[in-house]
Order: sequence, then structure tokens, then C-alpha cells
Amino acid sequence: EPEVTQTPSHQVTQMGQEVILRCVPISNHLYFYWYRQILGQKVEFLVSFYNNEISEKSEIFDDQFSVERPDGSNFTLKIRSTKLEDSAMYFCATAPDTNYGYTFGSGTRLTVV
Amino acid sequence: QKEVEQDPGPLSVPEGAIVSLNCTYSNSAFQYFMWYRQYSRKGPELLMYTYSSGNKEDGRFTAQVDKSSKYISLFIRDSQPSDSATYLCAMTHQGGKLIFGQGTELSVKP
Repeated sequence: EPEVTQTPSHQVTQMGQEVILRCVPISNHLYFYWYRQILGQKVEFLVSFYNNEISEKSEIFDDQFSVERPDGSNFTLKIRSTKLEDSAMYFCATAPDTNYGYTFGSGTRLTVV
Repeated sequence: QKEVEQDPGPLSVPEGAIVSLNCTYSNSAFQYFMWYRQYSRKGPELLMYTYSSGNKEDGRFTAQVDKSSKYISLFIRDSQPSDSATYLCAMTHQGGKLIFGQGTELSVKP
């Protein structure tokens, strides 16, 4: 079964440092998303990406966050200057179009110290 | 009122029981409804996907959507210890961002 692959599985970073989280989508999928889940809380939408541009973003997705698809395969989430409250599981999700359920990756656990 | 409400549980049942998991929502524009299963510290795994009202069955799982009541359900028949996980409902109105419920933690005891 095709999978969404996320790396790294766990990242520890110091407050104020930049981090890049990586996702390899399923090959025929065109819609890409980032979600996050703070421990014990709901899964929250961050951003959706289609046709090489952001189609929607949440209030959480401020100027510290950016996404790109640098080489046509990887889909990345960058946090420019991490804060303690950015500690969470970050999930990449992809879909072939918007009328299908989304496939999630296993997540990257980000710990900001 | 929260957009999507889900009883967080925990819910504990004996093996073989029928499990009923539910979510209510407030946004009548939601049209696509999903159920995900999440094991601890793993990504959500899609179980069921339904569009608009009605029932959908897949093996031991049945998803129901009642748009008039803004209520969705997931039934698990003949529950197994391997079904122990957190079950998340999620929905969207235009095929864009998903709005998730809190998740219900299920434990199936042998």
C-alpha cells in the first residue's frame, strides 16, 4: 500500500533555531497538507498546498512558517524561529484530489527546548 | 459551540462487543465525513470515508451520516483487542481542510 513518508521521525531543536520537516507524498497525489497535534489535543490544520501554491492556511500558520515543494517530490514545512509552543507532532497528509480521504504520514515529533 | 464535538472517552469494552462512536457538528456545510484510527504517537489511518448522508459498510466497520441531525457514527462489530486505539472523526465542506474531533480512546479487553 502506498505510504506518505515523513522525516525525521523525531527532531529536538533549541528555541529560536530553524527546522525543516520533510514529506514524500504518494506519487499520484496532487493535494498536500500539514497538520499538527499538540500532546493531548486535537489534530489541527496548518496549511494546504496545490499546484505549487498555498490554497488555504490557518491562523497558526504565521510568518514563521513556510512550505515548498523544492524538487517536485519532497514537500517541506519550515519553521524559521522555533518557539517552545511549536512542540508537537507534525503530520503531512496527501490526496489525489479533494473528493478522497487523505493519507497521513507517521509524523515528525518536534521538541523545542 | 465547537465545530466538531466528540466524546473523548475512554471507552472500555469486552472483546466481541459492538462499539458505537459518535460525533456531532455545527457547520451544516460539511459534506465529506471521515473516520480515522490513531495508535499512540502514530499518524491517523483512514478507516472510512463518506459523502453526504447515508451508510457505508466495510468489513466490521459501518459509518453512518445523518446530516439533518448533524450527527455521524462509526460502528465496530465483533471488536478485537487490536481495535484498541483512538478514533478520530473528521469532516470538510469543500474537500479542503479537515476539522477533527477530539478523538475517542477505545480499549477492547480480551
